[in-house]
Amino acid sequence: DARVTQTPRHKVTEMGQEVTMRCQPILGHNTVFWYRQTMMQGLELLAYFRNRAPLDDSGMPKDRFSAEMPDATLATLKIQPSEPRDSAVYFCASGWTLTGGGYNEQFFGPGTRLTVL
Amino acid sequence: GQQLNQSPQSMFIQEGEDVSMNCTSSSIFNTWLWYKQDPGEGPVLLIALYKAGELTSNGRLTAQFGITRKDSFLNISASIPSDVGIYFCAGQLPRDDKIIFGKGTRLHILP
Repeated sequence: DARVTQTPRHKVTEMGQEVTMRCQPILGHNTVFWYRQTMMQGLELLAYFRNRAPLDDSGMPKDRFSAEMPDATLATLKIQPSEPRDSAVYFCASGWTLTGGGYNEQFFGPGTRLTVL
Repeated sequence: GQQLNQSPQSMFIQEGEDVSMNCTSSSIFNTWLWYKQDPGEGPVLLIALYKAGELTSNGRLTAQFGITRKDSFLNISASIPSDVGIYFCAGQLPRDDKIIFGKGTRLHILP
């Protein structure tokens, strides 16, 4: 059955290193969301794309985070340089949205657990 | 920013008991979603609600979209061990692509 896939599932890195997380959305979905989950903050929306165009990245620290969709089957979230406070689980979700709102069931991937030492 | 108040924060119940949790907001939502998250996994969509007053079931789960459009509840009947996990409500504001998540209800089942 169709699922959102994410790689890697786990990543341990040292402070200052670049981290790239990848997501393959469900075929046919037009919207991709990136979330970060921590115990303190819960699920936070970082950025999202519709039809590969970035619509909102206001939840993302702009100086070190970047999100792209090079094609319809791949979304990436990059952190450069990484910091210990970036340690969290990062989820990608995909769904079908209409301009102006409406129908928004989001399907989540398994997440990337990032630890920055 | 917009917030959803989800309660209770955690629950400890006996197997076989019924469970009820809810979400409220000061804002009106067009869509309410309920997700369950198991350890080490992403949230899984359980039920989606699109109309005020709508009552929808998925097996032992039942959820309702409040008449005021500012609240929703989720009931689980006859709980079983695999119901353990974190349940999230999420709401979509009118004319918005984003959904807002509650902080979750952590369900524990006592042996």
